Amino acid sequence: GAGVSQSPRYKVAKRGQDVALRCDPISGHVSLFWYQQALGQGPEFLTYFQNEAQLDKSGLPSDRFFAERPEGSVSTLKIQRTQQEDSAVYLCASSSLRDTQYFGPGTRLTVL
Amino acid sequence: AQSVTQLGSHVSVSEGALVLLRCNYSSSVPPYLFWYVQYPNQGLQLLLKYTTGATLVKGINGFEAEFKKSETSFHLTKPSAHMSDAAEYFCAVTSLGGYNKLIFGAGTRLAVHP
Repeated sequence: GAGVSQSPRYKVAKRGQDVALRCDPISGHVSLFWYQQALGQGPEFLTYFQNEAQLDKSGLPSDRFFAERPEGSVSTLKIQRTQQEDSAVYLCASSSLRDTQYFGPGTRLTVL
Repeated sequence: AQSVTQLGSHVSVSEGALVLLRCNYSSSVPPYLFWYVQYPNQGLQLLLKYTTGATLVKGINGFEAEFKKSETSFHLTKPSAHMSDAAEYFCAVTSLGGYNKLIFGAGTRLAVHP
């Protein structure tokens, strides 16, 4: 079956622009996670959804970051007024409840 | 709080040699431990995981890891390296209960040379 997909794979934004990153989880997976991976670092947790409910957003670095999953399937991570420090790979993962997380290929965001 | 330390950001081995990637964790509750591999421009792929039970865990591609509670370690090994093993490896920890948010180490880049 299909794995986790993310789009776009690459995004270049000028500083100050808004961006939206999409994640399509594995069908039927209740849990969805967003992670941020800076260059040369391990992924860091951003936020967690259980179905459509955002249960944890403790990792979002600022109020410029916003995530949603309105129908409990596809999720979008939005970054407003992008800054250079937002440049990173954004990874999405999905799982059955409390089971192994399966990761998408990521979106590489470069802010100029 | 939980954390992961991976000793050695870069490891280089010869093809056919033993691979040993080190991971130490900190956790106040019984941990679940994972090793993921990341190939260039790809997402993370699960190699193996420890939850409960047998402390020696076998994964894909000939890798295995041993959970040692007394040493708070979960080192990854493979008896004989292959060129295709060259990648970035991440150790991660989570805990029973909650929703299994993963805490990752900084990663170890494995190079395999002929």
